[in-house]
Amino acid sequence: DTGVSQDPRHKITKRGQNVTFRCDPISEHNRLYWYRQTLGQGPEFLTYFQNEAQLEKSRLLSDRFSAERPKGSFSTLEIQRTEQGDSAMYLCASSWNTDTQYFGPGTRLTVL
Amino acid sequence: GENVEQHPSTLSVQEGDSAVIKCTYSDSASNYFPWYKQELGKGPQLIIDIRSNVGEKKDQRIAVTLNKTAKHFSLHITETQPEDSAVYFCAASAGGNEKLTFGTGTRLTIIP
Repeated sequence: DTGVSQDPRHKITKRGQNVTFRCDPISEHNRLYWYRQTLGQGPEFLTYFQNEAQLEKSRLLSDRFSAERPKGSFSTLEIQRTEQGDSAMYLCASSWNTDTQYFGPGTRLTVL
Repeated sequence: GENVEQHPSTLSVQEGDSAVIKCTYSDSASNYFPWYKQELGKGPQLIIDIRSNVGEKKDQRIAVTLNKTAKHFSLHITETQPEDSAVYFCAASAGGNEKLTFGTGTRLTIIP
């Protein structure tokens, strides 16, 4: 069990550029979650998948955000036309059904 | 939707003393309450959780209590050690453990 991994760990981009993050969950986990955490705040739910199906999306997930989990394993989160307000830590978590959510180390995004 | 409030935002405790962090939630349908510890530059790590069919759960120096009538739950850490210094988040979820709603965090500092 190697844990949840995320890539890259840090991303600096200019406003208006597109960015894509990857999450690899714990191998036997069927659920995968994305959260966003800004400085001094708790994580905020963005979306989650059960296998390849995206079951819920937060209102925080504007139309510039898209998440996929094509084969029910790894997931990608893409942000198009980044804005300075998108600067945050993007966290991925995975679980087996309703068991414990295990978090990855996060991807820190800085939009200049 | 669910709203979770957490107090205090910062807490300093002498090594060996106890620490208590309290959370309240708003959605009476919430039935799963985990606590996460987050160290600098890392993702949240689960330290203990409780489901609504029990009132208290203990794991060595850590305990969580739940009062469903009052909609509050608390984390208790006894015999604190320097490695307990971190930010602690409470969370709540309806449906067992789907999207987690987090509190704003408590920065715990253990004074040697």
